[in-house]
Amino acid sequence: KQEVTQIPAALSVPEGENLVLNCSFTDSAIYNLQWFRQDPGKGLTSLLLIQSSQREQTSGRLNASLDKSSGRSTLYIAASQPGDSATYLCAPDYTGTASKLTFGTGTRLQVTL
Amino acid sequence: DVKVTQSSRYLVKRTGEKVFLECVQDMDHENMFWYRQDPGLGLRLIYFSYDVKMKEKGDIPEGYSVSREKKERFSLILESASTNQTSMYLCASSTTSGYQPQHFGDGTRLSIL
Repeated sequence: KQEVTQIPAALSVPEGENLVLNCSFTDSAIYNLQWFRQDPGKGLTSLLLIQSSQREQTSGRLNASLDKSSGRSTLYIAASQPGDSATYLCAPDYTGTASKLTFGTGTRLQVTL
Repeated sequence: DVKVTQSSRYLVKRTGEKVFLECVQDMDHENMFWYRQDPGLGLRLIYFSYDVKMKEKGDIPEGYSVSREKKERFSLILESASTNQTSMYLCASSTTSGYQPQHFGDGTRLSIL
C-alpha cells in the first residue's frame, strides 16, 4: 500500500522566514508529484506539479524539489507572508494519467505577523 | 481558468435519505473524481470517472454510487445516508495527461443527522 507522510503536521513561523515542508512516499515508482494548498473550509488549489524526470519546479516564492529514488519531495517557501497560512498537501501520481493521486495528510502552516 | 462547481457548500440530511451531490466542470476534462476528507484521514478517493458512463471504484466506495451521463457533470449518490458519511466532499477534474494538475471545487460539507 502506498503511503505518503508529511512532516511536520503543523508549523508556526514569523513573517519573513524561509521554510521547508517535507513529503515522503513509500513507493518511488511515481510519474509526477503535485503540491496543493487548502484554505480552511475550501477545496484544493494546485501549486506545483513536478514530473518524475525533473528535480525542481519553481513558481514565484515557491520551489518544489523531488528525489524520486529516496522517496522525498520538499516544498520551499521563501519570505513567508501571513497570506501563506494554509494547509499544504503533497500527492504522488502513480498512474501517469492523473487518474489516481495518493494524498498526504498535510502540513498546517501559520505565518504570524 | 478551470472552474469546478459543486452544487451546495453546506447540506444537512437525515439518516436513510437518498442524497445527491452534483459537480460540474467547464474545461472538457475527461477525468472527474469524488473524494471525502476527514480530520486525521486526509483525502480518500471514493470514485472516479474517465469518460461518460465509465467509472472506477476508489479506496472507499462502500455506501456510494456515481453517475456520469454527460462529460461535464459527475454526481455522487448516497443511497441511504448514514451518520458515518458526515464529511467534507470534494469534487475534482483533470485531463488524462500526467502533466496537468487536478482542479478542485470548493467542497460540500455534508451533515447526516
